[in-house]
Amino acid sequence: AQTVTQSQPEMSVQEAETVTLSCTYDTSENNYYLFWYKQPPSRQMILVIRQEAYKQQNATENRFSVNFQKAAKSFSLKISDSQLGDTAMYFCAFMRTLNYGGSQGNLIFGKGTKLSVKP
Amino acid sequence: GAVVSQHPSRVICKSGTSVKIECRSLDFQATTMFWYRQFPKQSLMLMATSNEGSKATYEQGVEKDKFLINHASLTLSTLTVTSAHPEDSSFYICSARGSGGRNTGELFFGEGSRLTVL
Repeated sequence: AQTVTQSQPEMSVQEAETVTLSCTYDTSENNYYLFWYKQPPSRQMILVIRQEAYKQQNATENRFSVNFQKAAKSFSLKISDSQLGDTAMYFCAFMRTLNYGGSQGNLIFGKGTKLSVKP
Repeated sequence: GAVVSQHPSRVICKSGTSVKIECRSLDFQATTMFWYRQFPKQSLMLMATSNEGSKATYEQGVEKDKFLINHASLTLSTLTVTSAHPEDSSFYICSARGSGGRNTGELFFGEGSRLTVL
């Protein structure tokens, strides 16, 4: 069974600074997706960034980038130039390569990291 | 991105009554939808996988007779909490996976529904 571990329950960062959120996972699969989702106080889940396991290049989305270390099963999220609007719960998630039907392809979430950006 | 709409966003009901929550994919067809439950300050826990035209697949420990899931069309899945009790109070979130060209590995989430059972 796959597991996702986020070892930092809470973190804080000053506005405009950089912060890195940690995530490790355990799987015997070779092909899979990894995600970071953001959940602000509104509770809406928002996709931050996605990484396909077969891609060696780290994904980037504007101020958000990941450090994907497949051998180490590590998938950290770096937020640069932190903004007050980045304050939220951040969930790391794992998804097996898609198969149609059944529970394959669902997201397995870590317990989340509460990030507070301070002015 | 694709839009998934959940309704109602908040519902309060009396103990013993049933509550239905709808999850709609507005601009794509969703062959598979997932229902999650989230307790305060906790992660999302998968309850069941809903496949259009077939019975839902429930995760271990989830009572299928209590949490009825129907996925009658490619754009609508419903979760009915039957004979609700205060311990069923929670935040319920649906997500949908697109089909065809929308099948990119990403799941699209609804806004969530907060259920409070008095």
